[in-house]
Amino acid sequence: DADVTQTPRNRITKTGKRIMLECSQTKGHDRMYWYRQDPGLGLRLIYYSFDVKDINKGEISDGYSVSRQAQAKFSLSLESAIPNQTALYFCATSDPTGTGKGTQYFGPGTRLLVL
Amino acid sequence: ELKVEQNPLFLSMQEGKNYTIYCNYSTTSDRLYWYRQDPGKSLESLFVLLSNGAVKQEGRLMASLDTKARLSTLHITAAVHDLSATYFCAVDIAGTASKLTFGTGTRLQVTL
Repeated sequence: DADVTQTPRNRITKTGKRIMLECSQTKGHDRMYWYRQDPGLGLRLIYYSFDVKDINKGEISDGYSVSRQAQAKFSLSLESAIPNQTALYFCATSDPTGTGKGTQYFGPGTRLLVL
Repeated sequence: ELKVEQNPLFLSMQEGKNYTIYCNYSTTSDRLYWYRQDPGKSLESLFVLLSNGAVKQEGRLMASLDTKARLSTLHITAAVHDLSATYFCAVDIAGTASKLTFGTGTRLQVTL
């Protein structure tokens, strides 16, 4: 089974709708991240969380919110979706003290289309 | 604000050739990561470089880090078609394995 899972994998929604993207991990990592990927722009950080009580904005948090329900779960919400939020969204986890030396491990991604 | 630039953005090369991808970053950091992404897929970790002069090699890929020049390179030796993918470098902002800033990626196409 995958260590980092995301649901749904694909989603089509309409402008103005509220949607939630979910991320779960079995790696036991405290740190979790949400990114969006747009062609030609690489990955940009939306929100990150270093533990259940610690949530921080990334460089592009406007229009998004998050919830860290447990160590293993980190959800991203689009309060009122707009077409320029059409993108590929990735969740990631990391453990700065583990053998990965802070490597972030990515989920499979959620492809979102806002009409 | 940390900026991470990769070049080239697109690279088409023949099998058997060598080439280097460059990753420049704008502020001090001693921790840099390389990832690979196949079309429509997630990102896969390739290397983590943790200090000045660090060099890591895996198969036909070798990555190095020069923190004084704020430069990392990913060298491809005798390219094969299976290496076709997009390669990203990512720099740790605070040097404490906290947040990463990604480059825009280099799309590598290896032709037969």
